[in-house]
Amino acid sequence: AQSVAQPEDQVNVAEGNPLTVKCTYSVSGNPYLFWYVQYPNRGLQFLLKYITGDNLVKGSYGFEAEFNKSQTSFHLKKPSALVSDSALYFCAVPLDFGNEKLTFGTGTRLTIIP
Amino acid sequence: ETGVTQTPRHLVMGMTNKKSLKCEQHLGHNAMYWYKQSAKKPLELMFVYNFKEQTENNSVPSRFSPECPNSSHLFLHLHTLQPEDSALYLCASSPGVQNTGELFFGEGSRLTVL
Repeated sequence: AQSVAQPEDQVNVAEGNPLTVKCTYSVSGNPYLFWYVQYPNRGLQFLLKYITGDNLVKGSYGFEAEFNKSQTSFHLKKPSALVSDSALYFCAVPLDFGNEKLTFGTGTRLTIIP
Repeated sequence: ETGVTQTPRHLVMGMTNKKSLKCEQHLGHNAMYWYKQSAKKPLELMFVYNFKEQTENNSVPSRFSPECPNSSHLFLHLHTLQPEDSALYLCASSPGVQNTGELFFGEGSRLTVL
């Protein structure tokens, strides 16, 4: 079965520092991978996705993610964190290859400290 | 404005009540989803509809009854719920045919069962 894991429940980063939110995956075949963000009292918003091609994927709000096949990872990164980046971040993968039913990781709460 | 609207945003109900959650999407999508988000648990996919037909029921108890009268509207009818059903219920939509893998979420309906 397709799945993702987010090993950190909470990540704290000082404003202006680079940030990384970790995700590892377990899929059969070529993976489709996604990152979503949830701000307080809101639904989830799409950030970026990896389908094929360049291992570095750029997304919304200055975020990017690096696909690493050998480490089965898809970590979310940003060079300089903003306080407004504080939110809950979810990694996701389709339940079946090529469809839109996503299964999500447990989420990582990112707190940017002013 | 996310393109997916959920009402009500907050609902408090007793265990013997009957209520409904409503979701409407203005994106011309063909697939709609209900997810449940509970504290400290991964998002749970509950139901999926494609072109108004239910294509997924993820072992959801019968006290939750979905209805999809057309591709733009999705309901979740609730009856004789339990306190553990208290959660944020998220509706999402997707194109359904283009397999982009991107879901568009509403802001959720926060349900409290007393």
